[in-house]
Amino acid sequence: GAVVSQHPSWVICKSGTSVKIECRSLDFQATTMFWYRQFPKQSLMLMATSNEGSKATYEQGVEKDKFLINHASLTLSTLTVTSAHPEDSSFYICSARAGGQVETQYFGPGTRLLVL
Amino acid sequence: GQNIDQPTEMTATEGAIVQINCTYQTSGFNGLFWYQQHAGEAPTFLSYNVLDGLEEKGRFSSFLSRSKGYSYLLLKELQMKDSASYLCAVMDSNYQLIWGAGTKLIIKP
Repeated sequence: GAVVSQHPSWVICKSGTSVKIECRSLDFQATTMFWYRQFPKQSLMLMATSNEGSKATYEQGVEKDKFLINHASLTLSTLTVTSAHPEDSSFYICSARAGGQVETQYFGPGTRLLVL
Repeated sequence: GQNIDQPTEMTATEGAIVQINCTYQTSGFNGLFWYQQHAGEAPTFLSYNVLDGLEEKGRFSSFLSRSKGYSYLLLKELQMKDSASYLCAVMDSNYQLIWGAGTKLIIKP
């Protein structure tokens, strides 16, 4: 099956710093990538949807200037958490969808962020 | 508004059968998904239903009734490794996934 990777899998940073998370589709071209956040014991919360070569569409309540998303190629999307604060500590998961396969999303393994 | 309902937690015995229900109200329907998520890991795909009826895949089966806005995931011959959260998600008319809060399944020996 299709493989999506995320890097890093774990990151610990100081408050006020920025953190970049990469999401890569390894064996297919992802026209659309999704970024989710999941707090402990809660379900996935969609943060934004990004299409290759265009600006991301953010969900209501998600600050686009704080969570910068770049989908520069058909195999790579990045999420940058700018000026991270302890409340940004969460599990960030990306998923990717191939063109023409709207019913299938492939999930990355997730990135656990801890902001001290 | 859009809404997905599933039980918060269920408990079952190893070797038994369990059914996890999901009801939904969404703007449009382009299919219903079930995902399994172990603690600390990303979700993994289990099933996709877009037509009414039962889809069987090994020990797992998924059922859909579009007229009732209802689905269930049936797990047979439960194993300890099936302890996980099971997420129901519906793809709406914009092809966006609407997620349920998940059902935590606890398997006891």
